[in-house]
Amino acid sequence: ETGVTQTPRHLVMGMTNKKSLKCEQHLGHNAMYWYKQSAKKPLELMFVYNFKEQTENNSVPSRFSPECPNSSHLFLHLHTLQPEDSALYLCASSQDGLADYNEQFFGPGTRLTVL
Amino acid sequence: AQSVTQLGSHVSVSEGALVLLRCNYSSSVPPYLFWYVQYPNQGLQLLLKYTSAATLVKGINGFEAEFKKSETSFHLTKPSAHMRDAAEYFCAVSDQGSQGNLIFGKGTKLSVKP
Repeated sequence: ETGVTQTPRHLVMGMTNKKSLKCEQHLGHNAMYWYKQSAKKPLELMFVYNFKEQTENNSVPSRFSPECPNSSHLFLHLHTLQPEDSALYLCASSQDGLADYNEQFFGPGTRLTVL
Repeated sequence: AQSVTQLGSHVSVSEGALVLLRCNYSSSVPPYLFWYVQYPNQGLQLLLKYTSAATLVKGINGFEAEFKKSETSFHLTKPSAHMRDAAEYFCAVSDQGSQGNLIFGKGTKLSVKP
């Protein structure tokens, strides 16, 4: 595997379900990100992790819970979601999230549908 | 704080025609600027980046962008559009006031007519 991978690519869940999205980067980077991309809305940064520590939470509802066990893996745990949470969830990584120059590499995304 | 404005949410060109996607930024410090492309149901792929070296930056797939400080612009161009260029394009600036997080524009969807 190369670059940034995300699983699953598609997920359909009910509002009472609990599921997790997984992201893995094979680039040796130290920063990882979760973004939400909804139809007709700009890309929304959700969470940022630098060296496994969360450095940004963009007022995300608590029904989204991130986890970063190491610099290569990032999870997004989902529970009691709402239909408006349906979106494409993108994971990204960069060499150093604290640097001014911050080129990010993106995964293919998980298309989430909440029924 | 930095910001990015992409003029035109949708641009349509004929195959073989010039592609011009506009991006203006605001920044109080020399910016780092990026163009990303997103094909349907895929993630974002880096097209090109400006890192304060040459003002004319060449990227993949025949795209290039010119950094113009006086106009605070970083427009993306391609001399001749191809059907495979149909995608959404995002301009981004590195937010040097927020740990270098990227600030994205709202995106421009490019359609290419045969």
